[in-house]
Amino acid sequence: AQSVSQHNHHVILSEAASLELGCNYSYGGTVNLFWYVQYPGQHLQLLLKYFSGDPLVKGIKGFEAEFIKSKFSFNLRKPSVQWSDTAEYFCAVNSGTYKYIFGTGTRLKVLA
Amino acid sequence: ETGVTQTPRHLVMGMTNKKSLKCEQHLGHNAMYWYKQSAKKPLELMFVYSLEERVENNSVPSRFSPECPNSSHLFLHLHTLQPEDSALYLCASSQSDRFSYEQYFGPGTRLTVT
Repeated sequence: AQSVSQHNHHVILSEAASLELGCNYSYGGTVNLFWYVQYPGQHLQLLLKYFSGDPLVKGIKGFEAEFIKSKFSFNLRKPSVQWSDTAEYFCAVNSGTYKYIFGTGTRLKVLA
Repeated sequence: ETGVTQTPRHLVMGMTNKKSLKCEQHLGHNAMYWYKQSAKKPLELMFVYSLEERVENNSVPSRFSPECPNSSHLFLHLHTLQPEDSALYLCASSQSDRFSYEQYFGPGTRLTVT
């Protein structure tokens, strides 16, 4: 069965620190990959997505992610985090069906 | 502002009650989803409707009953729930023929079963 692993469950950083959140998936075929963010008290919203083309994708608020097919990974990065990035981040995979598979999420806390 | 709305936002119900959750999308999508979000667990896909037809029923107990009267509305009827059903229930929508496209989520209904 397809699955998505997010290895970091809780991350605490100081402002201006660099961020990398890991995401690995288990599926050998063509995939569409997503990162969603859920700010406190708000709904899940799309941060960025990959479905074809350049494996380095850029999203909103300075986030980017790199799809490495050989490693089944889609890690999220941001060079310098801000206090307002405090949120929960979810990686998701879709293999061309109705099934969007989500990871367990990573709670990021940024200290001012 | 989200294009997917959910009501109620909070619900407390006893194990013998019957209640319904409502979802409405204003995005012109033709696929709608119910998810269960529990602490420390991945989002659990419960039901999927495409063009008002149920296409996925992910081994959900029969005490949860979905209804999709049209492509803009989705309901989740609840009856004789258990305390372990307490969770955040999320509705989402997308274009059913474009799975490279993302889902749009509503704010969720926080359900507490007492």
